Amino acid sequence: GGIITQTPKFLIGQEGQKLTLKCQQNFNHDTMYWYRQDSGKGLRLIYYSITENDLQKGDLSEGYDASREKKSSFSLTVTSAQKNEMAVFLCASSRDNQAPLFGEGTRLSVL
Amino acid sequence: GDKVKQSPSALSLQEGTNSALRCNFSIAATTVQWFLQNPRGSLMNLFYLVPGTKENGRLKSAFDSKESYSTLHIRDAQLEDSGTYFCAAVGTGGYKVVFGSGTRLLVSP
Repeated sequence: GGIITQTPKFLIGQEGQKLTLKCQQNFNHDTMYWYRQDSGKGLRLIYYSITENDLQKGDLSEGYDASREKKSSFSLTVTSAQKNEMAVFLCASSRDNQAPLFGEGTRLSVL
Repeated sequence: GDKVKQSPSALSLQEGTNSALRCNFSIAATTVQWFLQNPRGSLMNLFYLVPGTKENGRLKSAFDSKESYSTLHIRDAQLEDSGTYFCAAVGTGGYKVVFGSGTRLLVSP
């Protein structure tokens, strides 16, 4: 069976730091997504990508960069971490017209 | 405003009772998904729907694209049904999946 692997699971950063989160999937899915979830809230789309080297902005792209280096890999960069920021970043992938599958998340805390 | 509005935001049920969650869409949704997020944060896909209904055990979901809403019915609620339920919609154009803010469900004995 396939899996979506997010690394790291936990990330502690400093204010102003540039932080990179990685996501790998072995489903051979075309589309990959990055979502942010704040405590007690729903998921908000940051970036998505419909194929290798493609990048599409979601509703929350400001303050983030993303890169789809290859079909199986989608990384997200927080360009400048905000003090006291705490959120979970969820990566997902899907085949066309099918439900996205999610990774276990990266939990970010900024000191 | 919110493109996907979920109600209620929180719900308490006694074991064995029935209830329904609802999502209203202000986008032209083509497909709808329902997820359950457990206390550890893992998201589990419950249903993936084009307009119509699906049933799986004690859960049943319906999606009416003309009236722009979807429902999730829980029958005979069990303790393990507790968690946060999210609906998400894909609009015309294909790829963007937009989430509602969730319904926190607590089932108690």
